[in-house]
Amino acid sequence: DSGVTQTPKHLITATGQRVTLRCSPRSGDLSVYWYQQSLDQGLQFLIQYYNGEERAKGNILERFSAQQFPDLHSELNLSSLELGDSALYFCASSVEVTGVYYEQYFGPGTRLTVT
Amino acid sequence: DAKTTQPNSMESNEEEPVHLPCNHSTISGTDYIHWYRQLPSQGPEYVIHGLTSNVNNRMASLAIAEDRKSSTLILHRATLRDAAVYYCILREKGGSEKLVFGKGTKLTVNP
Repeated sequence: DSGVTQTPKHLITATGQRVTLRCSPRSGDLSVYWYQQSLDQGLQFLIQYYNGEERAKGNILERFSAQQFPDLHSELNLSSLELGDSALYFCASSVEVTGVYYEQYFGPGTRLTVT
Repeated sequence: DAKTTQPNSMESNEEEPVHLPCNHSTISGTDYIHWYRQLPSQGPEYVIHGLTSNVNNRMASLAIAEDRKSSTLILHRATLRDAAVYYCILREKGGSEKLVFGKGTKLTVNP
């Protein structure tokens, strides 16, 4: 158990809909990362938040957005869903100290199926 | 982000050592070498990382070539639980904290 929790485990929805994925980082971790894993693209970084602020952006679509709340949990919002958005979405967290690397701890993921 | 090259798949027998290679010929002096693995139906998990010297931890050892253009992750005694996809990732010291995953090596462990 990594200490990172994600809800829900599975989500099935229709095209055009909007969903929210939730992540609770490990206690004390200030950084939250979101990754998408699909069969054709592999694991891809989407976005990072640090202590409530957006820190880095990857190949995140404009239809997707995220935020990190004062209690450090994070939500990934996916809207106008398309079939191609079906994937596993992972959240990871890490302690972050400038100039020092700490490993990322991944949650179990949310499997999104768009029909 | 510097690129890495890994074999698509490898096989090993239980309780034997496994050497997982990674080539990173364009590595820069400030790139750390990281290894993560992803067990079936789970999120990735950190294995080990290093810069220049060989590293050991409870999970594995990391052997880094003198010219740093390649590295090898060593599992000293493979168990069935080590069957996973292993990712070799380069991260620049002081750079972005994001992880850039390649296709990795799928390790099969035979009983």
